[in-house]
Amino acid sequence: AQSVTQLGSHVSVSEGALVLLRCNYSSSVPPYLFWYVQYPNQGLQLLLKYTTGATLVKGINGFEAEFKKSETSFHLTKPSAHMSDAAEYFCAVTPNTGFQKLVFGTGTRLLVSP
Amino acid sequence: NAGVTQTPKFQVLKTGQSMTLQCAQDMNHEYMSWYRQDPGMGLRLIHYSVGAGITDQGEVPNGYNVSRSTTEDFPLRLLSAAPSQTSVYFCASSSLSGAPNTEAFFGQGTRLTVV
Repeated sequence: AQSVTQLGSHVSVSEGALVLLRCNYSSSVPPYLFWYVQYPNQGLQLLLKYTTGATLVKGINGFEAEFKKSETSFHLTKPSAHMSDAAEYFCAVTPNTGFQKLVFGTGTRLLVSP
Repeated sequence: NAGVTQTPKFQVLKTGQSMTLQCAQDMNHEYMSWYRQDPGMGLRLIHYSVGAGITDQGEVPNGYNVSRSTTEDFPLRLLSAAPSQTSVYFCASSSLSGAPNTEAFFGQGTRLTVV
Protein backbone atom coordinates (compact mmCIF):
# COMPACT_ATOMS: atom_id res chain seq x y z
CA ALA A 1 0.00 0.00 0.00
CA GLN A 2 1.10 3.51 -0.67
CA SER A 3 1.84 5.91 2.14
CA VAL A 4 3.19 9.39 2.70
CA THR A 5 5.33 10.70 5.55
CA GLN A 6 5.57 14.38 6.31
CA LEU A 7 8.34 15.19 8.75
CA GLY A 8 7.44 17.90 11.22
CA SER A 9 3.87 18.71 12.16
CA HIS A 10 4.86 22.37 12.55
CA VAL A 11 7.49 24.43 10.78
CA SER A 12 8.25 28.01 11.81
CA VAL A 13 10.07 30.49 9.59
CA SER A 14 10.58 34.23 9.50
CA GLU A 15 9.17 36.33 6.71
CA GLY A 16 11.66 36.29 3.83
CA ALA A 17 13.28 33.01 4.89
CA LEU A 18 13.43 29.80 2.90
CA VAL A 19 10.50 27.43 3.31
CA LEU A 20 11.25 23.69 3.21
CA LEU A 21 8.47 21.17 3.89
CA ARG A 22 9.46 17.52 3.68
CA CYS A 23 7.54 14.67 2.08
CA ASN A 24 8.64 11.08 1.56
CA TYR A 25 6.50 8.45 -0.09
CA SER A 26 6.40 4.70 0.00
CA SER A 27 5.39 2.93 -3.17
CA SER A 28 6.56 -0.03 -5.19
CA VAL A 29 6.30 2.04 -8.35
CA PRO A 30 6.58 5.82 -8.65
CA PRO A 31 3.14 7.24 -7.93
CA TYR A 32 1.67 10.56 -8.86
CA LEU A 33 2.45 13.16 -6.21
CA PHE A 34 0.67 16.32 -5.13
CA TRP A 35 0.97 19.15 -2.66
CA TYR A 36 -2.24 20.74 -1.38
CA VAL A 37 -2.60 23.81 0.86
CA GLN A 38 -5.36 24.44 3.38
CA TYR A 39 -5.93 27.96 4.65
CA PRO A 40 -7.84 28.38 7.95
CA ASN A 41 -11.45 27.22 7.72
CA GLN A 42 -11.10 26.43 4.02
CA GLY A 43 -11.00 23.37 1.85
CA LEU A 44 -7.83 22.13 0.20
CA GLN A 45 -6.36 23.79 -2.87
CA LEU A 46 -3.85 22.29 -5.28
CA LEU A 47 -0.38 23.86 -5.10
CA LEU A 48 1.38 21.64 -7.61
CA LYS A 49 1.58 18.09 -8.92
CA TYR A 50 4.26 15.81 -10.29
CA THR A 51 3.85 14.40 -13.76
CA THR A 52 6.35 12.06 -15.37
CA GLY A 53 9.23 13.88 -17.01
CA ALA A 54 10.41 17.06 -15.36
CA THR A 55 11.57 16.40 -11.82
CA LEU A 56 11.33 20.06 -10.74
CA VAL A 57 7.72 21.15 -10.59
CA LYS A 58 6.60 24.75 -10.25
CA GLY A 59 3.31 25.60 -8.62
CA ILE A 60 1.27 28.57 -7.58
CA ASN A 61 2.38 31.34 -5.20
CA GLY A 62 6.11 30.76 -5.88
CA PHE A 63 6.22 27.20 -4.51
CA GLU A 64 8.11 24.40 -6.21
CA ALA A 65 8.91 20.77 -5.46
CA GLU A 66 11.55 18.36 -6.68
CA PHE A 67 10.83 14.70 -7.29
CA LYS A 68 13.79 12.51 -6.28
CA LYS A 69 13.14 8.88 -7.09
CA SER A 70 16.36 7.67 -5.44
CA GLU A 71 15.30 9.31 -2.16
CA THR A 72 11.54 8.67 -2.62
CA SER A 73 11.03 12.33 -1.77
CA PHE A 74 8.97 15.24 -3.00
CA HIS A 75 9.94 18.16 -0.77
CA LEU A 76 8.18 21.52 -1.12
CA THR A 77 10.22 24.74 -1.15
CA LYS A 78 9.76 28.47 -1.51
CA PRO A 79 12.75 30.84 -1.54
CA SER A 80 11.14 33.62 0.48
CA ALA A 81 8.22 33.18 2.86
CA HIS A 82 5.34 35.63 3.02
CA MET A 83 2.93 36.09 5.91
CA SER A 84 0.17 34.91 3.59
CA ASP A 85 1.87 31.49 3.27
CA ALA A 86 0.81 30.57 6.80
CA ALA A 87 -1.39 27.52 6.30
CA GLU A 88 -1.38 23.73 6.55
CA TYR A 89 0.30 21.84 3.75
CA PHE A 90 -0.49 18.27 2.73
CA CYS A 91 1.52 15.95 0.55
CA ALA A 92 -0.53 13.28 -1.22
CA VAL A 93 0.01 10.30 -3.53
CA THR A 94 -2.19 8.29 -5.84
CA PRO A 95 -1.45 5.15 -7.83
CA ASN A 96 -0.26 5.90 -11.37
CA THR A 97 -2.96 3.75 -12.96
CA GLY A 98 -6.72 3.80 -12.84
CA PHE A 99 -8.64 6.54 -11.12
CA GLN A 100 -7.51 8.81 -8.34
CA LYS A 101 -7.44 7.56 -4.73
CA LEU A 102 -5.49 10.17 -2.83
CA VAL A 103 -3.56 9.11 0.25
CA PHE A 104 -2.59 12.12 2.33
CA GLY A 105 0.22 12.75 4.74
CA THR A 106 -0.56 14.03 8.20
CA GLY A 107 0.12 17.63 7.21
CA THR A 108 2.61 20.32 8.18
CA ARG A 109 1.45 23.62 9.61
CA LEU A 110 3.62 26.50 8.41
CA LEU A 111 3.95 29.43 10.78
CA VAL A 112 5.43 32.68 9.43
CA SER A 113 6.62 35.35 11.83
CA PRO A 114 7.31 38.98 10.94
CA ASN B 1 -18.36 29.57 -10.16
CA ALA B 2 -19.72 27.41 -7.32
CA GLY B 3 -17.33 24.43 -7.64
CA VAL B 4 -17.98 21.98 -4.80
CA THR B 5 -20.63 23.00 -2.29
CA GLN B 6 -21.08 21.31 1.07
CA THR B 7 -23.94 21.80 3.51
CA PRO B 8 -24.22 22.30 6.38
CA LYS B 9 -20.98 24.01 7.46
CA PHE B 10 -21.47 23.10 11.12
CA GLN B 11 -23.56 20.44 12.84
CA VAL B 12 -23.96 19.10 16.36
CA LEU B 13 -25.54 15.68 16.76
CA LYS B 14 -26.44 13.54 19.72
CA THR B 15 -25.13 10.01 19.87
CA GLY B 16 -27.40 7.70 17.90
CA GLN B 17 -28.89 10.37 15.67
CA SER B 18 -28.65 10.11 11.91
CA MET B 19 -27.97 12.81 9.37
CA THR B 20 -26.93 13.44 5.80
CA LEU B 21 -24.06 15.66 4.72
CA GLN B 22 -24.76 17.15 1.34
CA CYS B 23 -22.24 17.61 -1.46
CA ALA B 24 -22.90 19.06 -4.90
CA GLN B 25 -20.55 19.96 -7.75
CA ASP B 26 -21.24 21.87 -10.95
CA MET B 27 -18.15 20.88 -12.96
CA ASN B 28 -19.62 17.68 -14.45
CA HIS B 29 -16.93 15.61 -12.73
CA GLU B 30 -17.37 11.87 -12.79
CA TYR B 31 -15.29 11.18 -9.69
CA MET B 32 -16.44 12.27 -6.24
CA SER B 33 -15.18 11.34 -2.82
CA TRP B 34 -15.60 11.96 0.91
CA TYR B 35 -12.74 12.43 3.35
CA ARG B 36 -12.60 13.02 7.06
CA GLN B 37 -9.89 15.17 8.61
CA ASP B 38 -8.74 14.51 12.16
CA PRO B 39 -5.87 16.24 14.00
CA GLY B 40 -2.54 14.57 13.34
CA MET B 41 -4.05 12.11 10.86
CA GLY B 42 -4.40 14.08 7.67
CA LEU B 43 -7.36 13.27 5.44
CA ARG B 44 -8.66 9.73 5.16
CA LEU B 45 -10.90 8.45 2.37
CA ILE B 46 -14.35 7.29 3.47
CA HIS B 47 -16.19 6.48 0.21
CA TYR B 48 -15.84 7.37 -3.43
CA SER B 49 -17.80 7.19 -6.65
CA VAL B 50 -16.71 7.03 -10.30
CA GLY B 51 -20.13 7.88 -11.67
CA ALA B 52 -23.86 7.75 -11.07
CA GLY B 53 -24.86 4.42 -9.56
CA ILE B 54 -21.27 3.38 -8.77
CA THR B 55 -19.78 3.71 -5.28
CA ASP B 56 -17.05 1.96 -3.35
CA GLN B 57 -15.45 1.99 0.08
CA GLY B 58 -12.34 3.84 1.03
CA GLU B 59 -10.04 3.48 4.01
CA VAL B 60 -12.57 4.25 6.81
CA PRO B 61 -16.11 3.39 5.59
CA ASN B 62 -17.65 1.97 8.77
CA GLY B 63 -20.65 3.91 10.03
CA TYR B 64 -21.16 5.77 6.74
CA ASN B 65 -23.36 5.21 3.71
CA VAL B 66 -23.29 6.85 0.29
CA SER B 67 -25.27 6.75 -2.92
CA ARG B 68 -24.87 8.53 -6.24
CA SER B 69 -28.06 9.00 -8.20
CA THR B 70 -26.85 11.97 -10.25
CA THR B 71 -23.50 13.23 -11.51
CA GLU B 72 -23.84 16.38 -9.42
CA ASP B 73 -24.69 15.05 -5.97
CA PHE B 74 -22.91 12.70 -3.57
CA PRO B 75 -24.48 12.71 -0.09
CA LEU B 76 -22.85 11.08 2.92
CA ARG B 77 -25.13 9.48 5.50
CA LEU B 78 -24.30 8.83 9.11
CA LEU B 79 -26.61 6.04 10.19
CA SER B 80 -26.18 6.23 13.97
CA ALA B 81 -23.74 8.93 15.01
CA ALA B 82 -20.97 8.11 17.48
CA PRO B 83 -18.50 10.46 19.23
CA SER B 84 -15.72 8.85 17.17
CA GLN B 85 -17.32 10.44 14.11
CA THR B 86 -16.59 13.94 15.41
CA SER B 87 -14.46 15.33 12.61
CA VAL B 88 -14.28 17.73 9.70
CA TYR B 89 -15.68 16.20 6.53
CA PHE B 90 -14.59 17.19 3.04
CA CYS B 91 -16.15 16.34 -0.26
CA ALA B 92 -14.00 16.43 -3.38
CA SER B 93 -14.53 15.98 -7.09
CA SER B 94 -12.26 15.49 -10.08
CA SER B 95 -12.44 14.59 -13.73
CA LEU B 96 -11.70 11.04 -14.83
CA SER B 97 -10.19 12.47 -18.01
CA GLY B 98 -6.47 12.45 -17.36
CA ALA B 99 -6.92 10.51 -14.11
CA PRO B 100 -5.28 9.77 -11.81
CA ASN B 101 -3.09 12.82 -12.31
CA THR B 102 -5.90 15.36 -12.16
CA GLU B 103 -6.68 18.14 -9.72
CA ALA B 104 -9.16 17.36 -6.97
CA PHE B 105 -11.49 20.22 -6.05
CA PHE B 106 -12.57 20.37 -2.43
CA GLY B 107 -15.56 21.82 -0.68
CA GLN B 108 -15.14 24.05 2.35
CA GLY B 109 -15.92 21.27 4.77
CA THR B 110 -18.56 20.32 7.34
CA ARG B 111 -17.50 20.46 10.98
CA LEU B 112 -19.44 17.74 12.81
CA THR B 113 -19.54 17.29 16.57
CA VAL B 114 -21.22 14.25 18.12
CA VAL B 115 -22.02 14.58 21.80
